[in-house]
Amino acid sequence: QKEVEQNSGPLSVPEGAIASLNCTYSDRGSQSFFWYRQYSGKSPELIMFIYSNGDKEDGRFTAQLNKASQYVSLLIRDSQPSDSATYLCAVKLMGGTSYGKLTFGQGTILTVHP
Amino acid sequence: EAQVTQNPRYLITVTGKKLTVTCSQNMNHEYMSWYRQDPGLGLRQIYYSMNVEVTDKGDVPEGYKVSRKEKRNFPLILESPSPNQTSLYFCASSLRASSGNTIYFGEGSWLTVV
Repeated sequence: QKEVEQNSGPLSVPEGAIASLNCTYSDRGSQSFFWYRQYSGKSPELIMFIYSNGDKEDGRFTAQLNKASQYVSLLIRDSQPSDSATYLCAVKLMGGTSYGKLTFGQGTILTVHP
Repeated sequence: EAQVTQNPRYLITVTGKKLTVTCSQNMNHEYMSWYRQDPGLGLRQIYYSMNVEVTDKGDVPEGYKVSRKEKRNFPLILESPSPNQTSLYFCASSLRASSGNTIYFGEGSWLTVV
């Protein structure tokens, strides 16, 4: 089992819809969770991070964390064509021999069509 | 301006010819790391460094070396490059390994080994 898994997509949604991106992780020691957006050929840029169970909202983005079920999701409301990118889920371990290590999922390709 | 600078950005080299990809950050960050990104595999950590003179292997260290003699620099060395090291490489830094939020990425280095 991969440490961090995402559905690679592509996920296609119409403009104005809600895009839902999901990520599961295997290590229960994971403590910090991140969502990055990456445009083709560019470096990842941080969208949100979350530590605690529940929802965290920032503008059109909402991150949801459920540690018991070991999943984290990202909702994008009112999706825009400019949101079309690859979304990377990343998990940070803060214990043991992997202290501070950031592990990425393979990314989900999102396409928002007009 | 806070930044992580990688060089070269683009390189085509031949099998077996040693090369170094430099990485420098101007934020006095303790934690630095190298990732490679391949289609369908997301970002995989090669090596990381918690501080000066402290380095450790990530998930895919084979064929790579690093050094951290100064806080700002973290070069990635390919002693004898092979075609399977053709990839997009990212250097990243954060204030500390425990930093939960901001990880700064360089712009990436496209490396082709023929």
